[in-house]
Amino acid sequence: NAGVTQTPKFQVLKTGQSMTLQCAQDMNHEYMSWYRQDPGMGLRLIHYSVGAGITDQGEVPNGYNVSRSTTEDFPLRLLSAAPSQTSVYFCASSYSQGNKNIQYFGAGTRLSVL
Amino acid sequence: RKEVEQDPGPFNVPEGATVAFNCTYSNSASQSFFWYRQDCRKEPKLLMSVYSSGNEDGRFTAQLNRASQYISLLIRDSKLSDSATYLCVVNRRGNNRLAFGKGNQVVVIP
Repeated sequence: NAGVTQTPKFQVLKTGQSMTLQCAQDMNHEYMSWYRQDPGMGLRLIHYSVGAGITDQGEVPNGYNVSRSTTEDFPLRLLSAAPSQTSVYFCASSYSQGNKNIQYFGAGTRLSVL
Repeated sequence: RKEVEQDPGPFNVPEGATVAFNCTYSNSASQSFFWYRQDCRKEPKLLMSVYSSGNEDGRFTAQLNRASQYISLLIRDSKLSDSATYLCVVNRRGNNRLAFGKGNQVVVIP
């Protein structure tokens, strides 16, 4: 039972390059989210999805695209990397238990943009 | 005003002592509350949900005060393995989006 799997674990990009961070979950969760975590900033929501074919913006969506063609996969695409996108990225999937939304996180991708 | 506010600390705690910290939230429509634990360079993991009547899980006790809009976490008999950052997380009613605090860093000292 893998849970939430993120790849790659580490990545270095040059300014202007594009790349896709992969996220897959095997728990059949409807909801998936992407966060970035920066020192002193806490976790900030980039994009989220409430089911296959449905995505929406979070607090810091600029410079990122997402798609959700299947329940399992929720890739995050950086269109043209900038140094300000240097961060740790976490993907999460979640289910609702009554009123509660319990999130499970992947191990993270550490991205440096030079 | 940030939706969830926490004093980042660090909270330096002697082994065996008790430590407590609070988190305040600004949106009165918030309906679900959680504490997550995050170890250094690791992903956050659910520690416990917080129920209106308060709840315990072993050495951990969580409380919710809706009138004053804060939740608290108390750790009794601190262990070295409790050293981590504790994230306060709030879920608004009818919304699957979670709001995260910056975390309370706890360092348990031998």
